[in-house]
Amino acid sequence: SAVISQKPSRDICQRGTSLTIQCQVDSQVTMMFWYRQQPGQSLTLIATANQGSEATYESGFVIDKFPISRPNLTFSTLTVSNMSPEDSSIYLCSVAGFSGTSGSNEQFFGPGTRLTVL
Amino acid sequence: DQQVKQNSPSLSVQEGRISILNCDYTNSMFDYFLWYKKYPAEGPTFLISISSIKDKNEDGRFTVFLNKSAKHLSLHIVPSQPGDSAVYFCAASSNYKLTFGKGTLLTVNP
Repeated sequence: SAVISQKPSRDICQRGTSLTIQCQVDSQVTMMFWYRQQPGQSLTLIATANQGSEATYESGFVIDKFPISRPNLTFSTLTVSNMSPEDSSIYLCSVAGFSGTSGSNEQFFGPGTRLTVL
Repeated sequence: DQQVKQNSPSLSVQEGRISILNCDYTNSMFDYFLWYKKYPAEGPTFLISISSIKDKNEDGRFTVFLNKSAKHLSLHIVPSQPGDSAVYFCAASSNYKLTFGKGTLLTVNP
């Protein structure tokens, strides 16, 4: 498995401001993703963070609103730009690993960043 | 359109008995299915997964069954323990991208 940390763990922000969330992994990983869990909802994939190139966004998410960086194989950032109360969510990064011996397709999540926008 | 469905929002079982959590999906392109356990204020914890080419995978107290023809999978926890009380998410993977169900709150009563 991988140990994943996120900063900050939580924040309360004002409308119209931006927040950058950091995700650090203790080993090099090929795949890194950003998810969002809105209150009372399930987790939704925002984008795939690609090392050395632009992130790949899912339908409904755009780079101007959620710019993502991935400068190396252990680190990524997600920025929530021009925030509104609707952006209040838990934001989680995840990494994908493959266990060749068991044949499983494990994916591990960070602890999440709880964002509240006033 | 919800591609992964967990139709039971909650489940309550007695300690020592079996917990069965169910999940249905619609997209035949999913190649792996995963189960996560989540406590409040924490990220999801990976429990067990199964490839779409298998019908069963077992890891300790956790067993996942896949019925591909019915597009249905289930997680069995035997024996259930109070520490298993949490929200359980079913997720389906396509090229490592996960689609989640809405979760089932499992309560294991002592």
